[in-house]
Amino acid sequence: NAGVTQTPKFQVLKTGQSMTLQCAQDMNHNSMYWYRQDPGMGLRLIYYSASEGTTDKGEVPNGYNVSRLNKREFSLRLESAAPSQTSVYFCASRRDSPNYGYTFGSGTRLTVV
Amino acid sequence: AQTVTQSQPEMSVQEAETVTLSCTYDTSESDYYLFWYKQPPSRQMILVIRQEAYKQQNATENRFSVNFQKAAKSFSLKISDSQLGDAAMYFCAYGGPQGAQKLVFGQGTRLTINP
Repeated sequence: NAGVTQTPKFQVLKTGQSMTLQCAQDMNHNSMYWYRQDPGMGLRLIYYSASEGTTDKGEVPNGYNVSRLNKREFSLRLESAAPSQTSVYFCASRRDSPNYGYTFGSGTRLTVV
Repeated sequence: AQTVTQSQPEMSVQEAETVTLSCTYDTSESDYYLFWYKQPPSRQMILVIRQEAYKQQNATENRFSVNFQKAAKSFSLKISDSQLGDAAMYFCAYGGPQGAQKLVFGQGTRLTINP
């Protein structure tokens, strides 16, 4: 089915370890986003990419890096994981028309111990 | 910067009754978009309804409707004939008019349906 695919769905890391969250969409969308969801805080934007080859910081970028590998793929990297990065991470993509909102992936639950 | 506030962390309603979830936002833009998303226990984010700010008519999708008050910067969601499957977290979100249209989310309201 068309949509946004995130991997992995669950991950446990030790403090200081690194990992990359993968995201791919097959809807030919230009814009892609990474959000984190924490209890009582809604979803907060980490990084976004308005088009292939461009990335920009969102509200909470510290401790993260991103790569827009091509139009389909947008990865999020934690270089040195910290317990404060324990969260649920969502990737999303959007058509250029603003009328359709976002299409979200199913999320990654990350725990840093 | 735009902000979105959902002042009701939790709400409950009896099955088949009507419930209204509140949302207020702050922006200096005149053209923008507002959304309600549903997040069931599966964690999937599902678009419930959207509203274009330039449209005066309130959006409606089956049992879901909004009360959009632009001057008051209020965007509430009304769920009629509540069903058990409506139980979820509901997020209000604001999207600006141009560029990458980054969505700004409220804190969420957890809706419980009592049978």
